[in-house]
Amino acid sequence: AQSVTQLGSHVSVSEGALVLLRCNYSSSVPPYLFWYVQYPNQGLQLLLKYTSAATLVKGINGFEAEFKKSETSFHLTKPSAHMSDAAEYFCAVGGDFGNEKLTFGTGTRLTIIP
Amino acid sequence: DTAVSQTPKYLVTQMGNDKSIKCEQNLGHDTMYWYKQDSKKFLKIMFSYNNKELIINETVPNRFSPKSPDKAHLNLHINSLELGDSAVYFCASSLLAGGSQGTQYFGPGTRLTVL
Repeated sequence: AQSVTQLGSHVSVSEGALVLLRCNYSSSVPPYLFWYVQYPNQGLQLLLKYTSAATLVKGINGFEAEFKKSETSFHLTKPSAHMSDAAEYFCAVGGDFGNEKLTFGTGTRLTIIP
Repeated sequence: DTAVSQTPKYLVTQMGNDKSIKCEQNLGHDTMYWYKQDSKKFLKIMFSYNNKELIINETVPNRFSPKSPDKAHLNLHINSLELGDSAVYFCASSLLAGGSQGTQYFGPGTRLTVL
């Protein structure tokens, strides 16, 4: 069974400050990990994904995430927050080919303080 | 040029009615999904189809029936709607089922409100 835990349902940062959203996963097989962003009243948009090629993954809008197997973590970071980053962020874990199920975390709402 | 589209975007209906939500993808993907997002934003998979065949059927009431007329379309029909069915329903698609080609692309969602 696979699962993800997102620590902090709400995170607030000042504009220009570092963004850190935490995600820990549990998986019995090598995982595929994803971060999605959901802007208000919109669908989910893929930010980045880890597919075992490189542990540091760069995504869109200046976000990146680092896969740390020893810590079973896949935290999302951005050096400098922008007002447009305010959204809900979801971490998700998927398995190998044939295991098409994506299991999502409960989401973290990111608020940017001007 | 919308990749995954859903209709309608909003659906307001009375308890006991039957309604359908349609989904289409123009990405050439083989696998499509339906998710339910509740009021707390929790996302849970309901169904998955691969090349028109049902491959995931989570514990969902049998009032919900997916139908895939071809691999570009996955519709969701709901019978005898209940208050608890109020949610946002998302369609998604992926090239393959899982693995590195299993990245899922989501539609804009259908907000269903049952009165």
